[in-house]
Amino acid sequence: AQKVTQTQTSISVMEKTTVTMDCVYETQDSSYFLFWYKQTASGEIVFLIRQDSYKKENATVGHYSLNFQKPKSSIGLIITATQIEDSAVYFCAMREGHASSGSWQLIFGSGTQLTVMP
Amino acid sequence: DAGVTQTPRHEVAEKGQTIILKCEPVSGHNDLFWYRQTKIQGLELLSYFRSKSLMEDGGAFKDRFKAEMLNSSFSTLKIQPTEPKDSAVYLCASSPGQGNSDYTFGSGTRLLVI
Repeated sequence: AQKVTQTQTSISVMEKTTVTMDCVYETQDSSYFLFWYKQTASGEIVFLIRQDSYKKENATVGHYSLNFQKPKSSIGLIITATQIEDSAVYFCAMREGHASSGSWQLIFGSGTQLTVMP
Repeated sequence: DAGVTQTPRHEVAEKGQTIILKCEPVSGHNDLFWYRQTKIQGLELLSYFRSKSLMEDGGAFKDRFKAEMLNSSFSTLKIQPTEPKDSAVYLCASSPGQGNSDYTFGSGTRLLVI
């Protein structure tokens, strides 16, 4: 069974520093996709960045990057030069590569609350 | 581009009432998902449609929750009868329907059952 675990419930950092949020996953599949989403205080959930399991290079989008460690089943989110507006809840999610029983649902972690302080 | 539209944004219901939440997915998206979000349980899948066909109905939610997709551009989630424990944010999301596709989420409906 698929499972996504985020053990950090909350993190506080100073503005303009770098933060890493942890995520580990469980899957039996050799092909899968890993996602990070951000939920703001207003409740909006937006997609940030994706890592395909077959790609060795870590994905990077703007000031978001991933630390993909496949042997450890780990996909950390790194935010560099954090800003106040990065304060939000960050969710890690996974989808397996084959549509078993036609299921393409994402499995979400429990989220990490990030607070960026001035 | 229009995103996922959910209505209403807020709903207050008395215990035992029937409520219907609505969702319009992104045009052209094949997959539609209904999630419930609470602080304790996090994001829980309620229903999943692919090309209007129900693929998963979130087992534990079968008895009082019913999602329908009347056409490719409109879905409803009915809760009947409501209970106070149903108080949560209900989120609708859609996706193009490929393995590497991300979700587009709606703004959610915040439901309070008193």
